[in-house]
Order: sequence, then C-alpha cells, then structure tokens
Amino acid sequence: GENVEQHPSTLSVQEGDSAVIKCTYSDSASNYFPWYKQELGKRPQLIIDIRSNVGEKKDQRIAVTLNKTAKHFSLHITETQPEDSAVYFCAAIKMEYGNKLVFGAGTILRVKS
Amino acid sequence: NAGVTQTPKFQVLKTGQSMTLQCAQDMNHEYMSWYRQDPGMGLRLIHYSVGAGITDQGEVPNGYNVSRSTTEDFPLRLLSAAPSQTSVYFCASSYGTEQETQYFGPGTRLLVL
Repeated sequence: GENVEQHPSTLSVQEGDSAVIKCTYSDSASNYFPWYKQELGKRPQLIIDIRSNVGEKKDQRIAVTLNKTAKHFSLHITETQPEDSAVYFCAAIKMEYGNKLVFGAGTILRVKS
Repeated sequence: NAGVTQTPKFQVLKTGQSMTLQCAQDMNHEYMSWYRQDPGMGLRLIHYSVGAGITDQGEVPNGYNVSRSTTEDFPLRLLSAAPSQTSVYFCASSYGTEQETQYFGPGTRLLVL
C-alpha cells in the first residue's frame, strides 16, 4: 500500500521568509496529492491540491510542486505570516473506487514575528 | 449547510466502557470516514464507507465498529474502551467515492482512564 513520509516534523521561520515542506510517496500509481492545514484545536482543512498531470499549482502565497519521477511533492509558502502557524499534512492517493487517502505525519510550522 | 458535525466534543471514559461517537453530514456526500489523530502520527484511518450499507476497514480498525444505515450518519462505536484509544477522533466526508476534497468535522477528544 501507499506510504507517505513528510519532512521536517517542525519548522520555524521568521515572518516574511519562505517555508518549504516536502513529502515523498511510495506508490507510483498515486495521482492526487492534497495538502491540509490544521490550526490549533481546529479541524484539518484543504488548502491546495495537485493532480499527477500537473507539475505545479499556485494559489496566492502557497504553491505545490510535484516530481513524479522522484515521487515527491512539496508545499511552498512565501511571505509567511503569523497566521500561517499551524500543522500541515500532505496526503496521497490513487483516485479510484475503494482506495484510501494516506496522510503524512504532519509538520508543525511556527512563524516568528 | 451545517457541514460535518460530531458529538460529543469531549468525553471521558473508564477502561472497559463502551460508547458511540456520532457523525453526521448534510451535504449528500457518498464517502465518509473516521480518523484518529495522535501526536506525531498524523491522521490514521479507522473505518470508512463508500455509501449507505457499505463499510470497510482502514489502517487501525481494531476495537472499533461502524455502520452506515443512511447517507447522512456514520457512527463509530468503541466496544470496550482502552487507554490506547485516548485520542482525537475526526469524521470526514467527500462528495464522491474517490475522496477528492475531504471535509472534516470539528473532532471529538476522547480520554480513556
């Protein structure tokens, strides 16, 4: 089955700097890669996702890149702000009936002001 | 729409007690799932359902039962609570069975003494 590894487990950056979180996956058939953000005491919420037919996707200050050959994908946050402080989870799945979304262990991002 | 709702928000159990965590969604989503979240271990899938009357096991199903008699409801039953089941439990749903955007409930924090 799919296995997703996420690094780093914690990341501290200065406000305004960029943050990068990287995930690797094991199943080359996986074709959908979402990222979820979980603020303290809240539920996880989807912030961006990418499909395997796309190499990069941007949404304002966040972007995700996918390298299918190396089987890794990354979340990039530019111009970080204190409200970006949260736990970020990556996930991977081959989107077909009965398959299960597999999450990484999460990255705690702290943005220091 | 209320989205995905969960009750209770917090529960304390004694070892050996049983209880049911409730989950409901009003978005007519086919796919529903239960995750547990433990520090440093991300979101682990307990059970999931691709539609009314259909359930299957996830990564960590032992000690838990589920049923899906309606599209809206997906309760999780702890048969005989153990301290190892102390965790935060999230219910999630998505529109199709291919698990695109997952919408999470607010979570239930469970403490087993």
